[in-house]
Amino acid sequence: LAKTTQPISMDSYEGQEVNITCSHNNIATNDYITWYQQFPSQGPRFIIQGYKTKVTNEVASLFIPADRKSSTLSLPRVSLSDTAVYYCLVNMNTGFQKLVFGTGTRLLVSP
Amino acid sequence: ETGVTQTPRHLVMGMTNKKSLKCEQHLGHNAMYWYKQSAKKPLELMFVYNFKEQTENNSVPSRFSPECPNSSHLFLHLHTLQPEDSALYLCASSQDTGKGGDEQYFGPGTRLTVT
Repeated sequence: LAKTTQPISMDSYEGQEVNITCSHNNIATNDYITWYQQFPSQGPRFIIQGYKTKVTNEVASLFIPADRKSSTLSLPRVSLSDTAVYYCLVNMNTGFQKLVFGTGTRLLVSP
Repeated sequence: ETGVTQTPRHLVMGMTNKKSLKCEQHLGHNAMYWYKQSAKKPLELMFVYNFKEQTENNSVPSRFSPECPNSSHLFLHLHTLQPEDSALYLCASSQDTGKGGDEQYFGPGTRLTVT
C-alpha cells in the first residue's frame, strides 16, 4: 500500500481558496487517489477521487500531475463549515480494496 | 444522512459487560466495514465483510466479535473490553470491495467508553 504524507494542519480565512497537497511517492499503476473529509464525532465523507490530470465536482477539484507522485485537493472559497480534517488515500482499483487512513490535515477556517 | 445508521450513538460499559454495536445500511451495498478511531490516531480498519463473508480481520483481539447476518446489517459484539478500547467505532459500506474506485459511506459512529 502506498504511504501518503500530508501537512498536519493548515489555516485559512473565509472566501479564500485552500490547496492541500498530498505526497504518495510509491503510488502504483492501478491506484486511485481519494480524499475524504471528517468533522468531529462524525464518520469521514467522500469528497473526490481521481486517477490522473484533473477532476472537478461541485465541492472541490483534484489536481494530479503526470508522474502521479502527489496530488492537490483544491477547495474554492472556503467557509467556516469547511473546518475539518481532510484525508488523502491511495487505493488499488483491482482486488480487495483496503482503505488506509493517515493522520490527515486539520484545516481551520477563520472569519 | 449517508444511508448508514449506527446504534447506539453513545455507550458506556464496564470491563465485564457484554454489549453489541449495530450498523445498518440502506444503500444496497455488498460490502461493510468496521473501523476504530482513537483520540489522535488514524482510523484503523478492523473487519471487512463482502456478500456476508468476512474477508479481512486486521489482527483484532478476540474480545471484538463481528457478525454479518445479511448484506444490510453488521454487528460488533463486545465483551471483557479494556479501557484502551474506548474510541469512536465507525461502520461503513461500499458497493463492492473489488473496485478501487469504490466510495465508502460512513455512519455517524458509536462513541464507546469503557470504565
